[in-house]
Amino acid sequence: AQSVTQLDSQVPVFEEAPVELRCNYSSSVSVYLFWYVQYPNQGLQLLLKYLSGSTLVKGINGFEAEFNKSQTSFHLRKPSVHISDTAEYFCAVTKGNTGKLIFGQGTTLQVKP
Amino acid sequence: DVKVTQSSRYLVKRTGEKVFLECVQDMDHENMFWYRQDPGLGLRLIYFSYDVKMKEKGDIPEGYSVSREKKERFSLILESASTNQTSMYLCASSSTGTVNYGYTFGSGTRLTVV
Repeated sequence: AQSVTQLDSQVPVFEEAPVELRCNYSSSVSVYLFWYVQYPNQGLQLLLKYLSGSTLVKGINGFEAEFNKSQTSFHLRKPSVHISDTAEYFCAVTKGNTGKLIFGQGTTLQVKP
Repeated sequence: DVKVTQSSRYLVKRTGEKVFLECVQDMDHENMFWYRQDPGLGLRLIYFSYDVKMKEKGDIPEGYSVSREKKERFSLILESASTNQTSMYLCASSSTGTVNYGYTFGSGTRLTVV
């Protein structure tokens, strides 16, 4: 069965510093991988997705993620964060070919001035 | 702009009340989902529906039921609300044709049961 583990519940970082939010998944089959962002008091918004092809995926707001099949990881990165990036970030994987998403526990990114 | 709309942002209900959470999408999506979100637990799937009048249980269906009489509307029902159902509830939809392209989410309903 698929599962998703986000390795950090909170990541504090100063403005303009780089950041990496870690995500590992377990699956015996091919997967599709997603990162979503949730700003305070809002729903989830799709940041980026990996379906196939290039393992480096670029998303909105300057974020990117790298699919590493051997390490079963899909870490999210941004070279320079802004205060406005403060939010909760969720990694997700599809469950087989059902289209159902399994979510990680979430990582709160706190960007400090 | 495509949308998933949840009828209430905030709700306060009393223990034992019957509660209806409504979700409407305007994208002609076949699939609709209800999740609850709790700190440290991420999103957990309550129920989902692949078509009108079709429903399947997710991971935590106890205490909930759903209704999908029309394609665009998916309702979550708390038959007798309890304090442990205080949570953020998120509705989402997706297309069967692009089933692996991710979901579109509503803004959420924060339910407090007192």
